[in-house]
Amino acid sequence: DTGVSQDPRHKITKRGQNVTFRCDPISEHNRLYWYRQTLGQGPEFLTYFQNEAQLEKSRLLSDRFSAERPKGSFSTLEIQRTEQGDSAMYLCASSLLGQGLYGYTFGSGTRLTVV
Amino acid sequence: AQSVTQLDSQVPVFEEAPVELRCNYSSSVSVYLFWYVQYPNQGLQLLLKYLSGSTLVKGINGFEAEFNKSQTSFHLRKPSVHISDTAEYFCAVTPGSSASKIIFGSGTRLSIRP
Repeated sequence: DTGVSQDPRHKITKRGQNVTFRCDPISEHNRLYWYRQTLGQGPEFLTYFQNEAQLEKSRLLSDRFSAERPKGSFSTLEIQRTEQGDSAMYLCASSLLGQGLYGYTFGSGTRLTVV
Repeated sequence: AQSVTQLDSQVPVFEEAPVELRCNYSSSVSVYLFWYVQYPNQGLQLLLKYLSGSTLVKGINGFEAEFNKSQTSFHLRKPSVHISDTAEYFCAVTPGSSASKIIFGSGTRLSIRP
């Protein structure tokens, strides 16, 4: 078990381009969460999955954002038509259903810079 | 809805001195509380958690926190800090009835001076 993996670690993109991030959770974890963290702020909840079902989405997740977890394993987060305000660290975390009370396991994040 | 307030954005302290990082929460239901630590360019790591029982909880790296229901606080303490404790610390809360998601505070940057 190598923990939660996120790819890429860093992404620089031009405004208006689309980007996609990948998260590989701990293999037996059935819950997967996406958070966004801007400089000097705490992580803000974006969305979470239980297996392949997306159970909750934050109001922060505009129409330009979409997340999937097609087979209940890895997840992708896509941002279309990126804006400078999308620059942030995107964090993925996973947990076992019912074990989330014991805290999530976080990945190291993907840092997005929109220029 | 739940919310978390971390009263200090930055806390400078000398090495080997004690430190307290303050956290207050707001919720209309019972909650579970967490402290996470984030080292530069890394993800978050769980320091400690309060679920129930004893209000004084001990975590990793010599940290402890005390849950105070009447004051809706969950302050983090360490009796003697080390240079390696330099990091960002986040207080977080989730509703006790259904652990759907964790809500984080804005963080406190702990800087240790030699």
